Amino acid sequence: DGGITQSPKYLFRKEGQNVTLSCEQNLNHDAMYWYRQDPGQGLRLIYYSQIVNDFQKGDIAEGYSVSREKKESFPLTVTSAQKNPTAFYLCASSRVPGQISSGNTIYFGEGSWLTVV
Amino acid sequence: LAKTTQPISMDSYEGQEVNITCSHNNIATNDYITWYQQFPSQGPRFIIQGYKTKVTNEVASLFIPADRKSSTLSLPRVSLSDTAVYYCLVGRFSGGYNKLIFGAGTRLAVHP
Repeated sequence: DGGITQSPKYLFRKEGQNVTLSCEQNLNHDAMYWYRQDPGQGLRLIYYSQIVNDFQKGDIAEGYSVSREKKESFPLTVTSAQKNPTAFYLCASSRVPGQISSGNTIYFGEGSWLTVV
Repeated sequence: LAKTTQPISMDSYEGQEVNITCSHNNIATNDYITWYQQFPSQGPRFIIQGYKTKVTNEVASLFIPADRKSSTLSLPRVSLSDTAVYYCLVGRFSGGYNKLIFGAGTRLAVHP
C-alpha cells in the first residue's frame, strides 16, 4: 500500500536526551512536512522540505532538527533544547510544494507520541 | 492567508445527516477548500476537496456558495464511527512555505 509510515508510535525521552522520529513515504512526493499537535489543539508546522537536501524552518522549529538525504525519508530529531517536547508528532507529504489543488493534497502519517519521563 | 472559523463541537445521532459549516472570509482566488477527519492518536485523513459549487464523493459532500466565503461539509447518515474531529483547511503553499493553518476543528460526537 502507498502511504506515509511513522515510527515509533510511542517514544519516551529522558531529560537531556535527543530522540529521532522516523518518517518514510512511498508516494513519490517531493514535499514533506513535520507538524506538532498538542492535546485539543490544531497542528503547528515544525519543518518542511521541498526537495532532497533542502529544508526550511516552520513556525516552531526551535529545539528540532531534520534531514532530507533521500526523497522518501524525512526524520525529525527532538533535541534537548526543546523544553516541552511532550506532544503528538505528524509527518505529512504532498506531490509538489505549491498551491493546494486537485491532485496536490497534503497527506498525513499515523503520528508518533513523544513523552518526556 | 485565509483564516477559518468552525463550531467547536457538534452532537448528532446515528442515521442523521450532519452539516458542518466553515467560514473563510479572506479566501484567495486560487485557494482550494479541503476537509480532514482525525480520530484520537491518528493522523488527519483527507475527506474531500473543492473549489466551487458542489463536490461529492463516497463519504461526503462539500457545498461551496458562489462567494466562496464559507463551505459546508455534509455527512449523510452518520454512524458512531464518524465521531471525530473535522478540520476545514483553506490555503496554499506560498513560495514553497506551507502556510496551511489548522484550527482546533469541530468535535463531532455521534450518539446511539
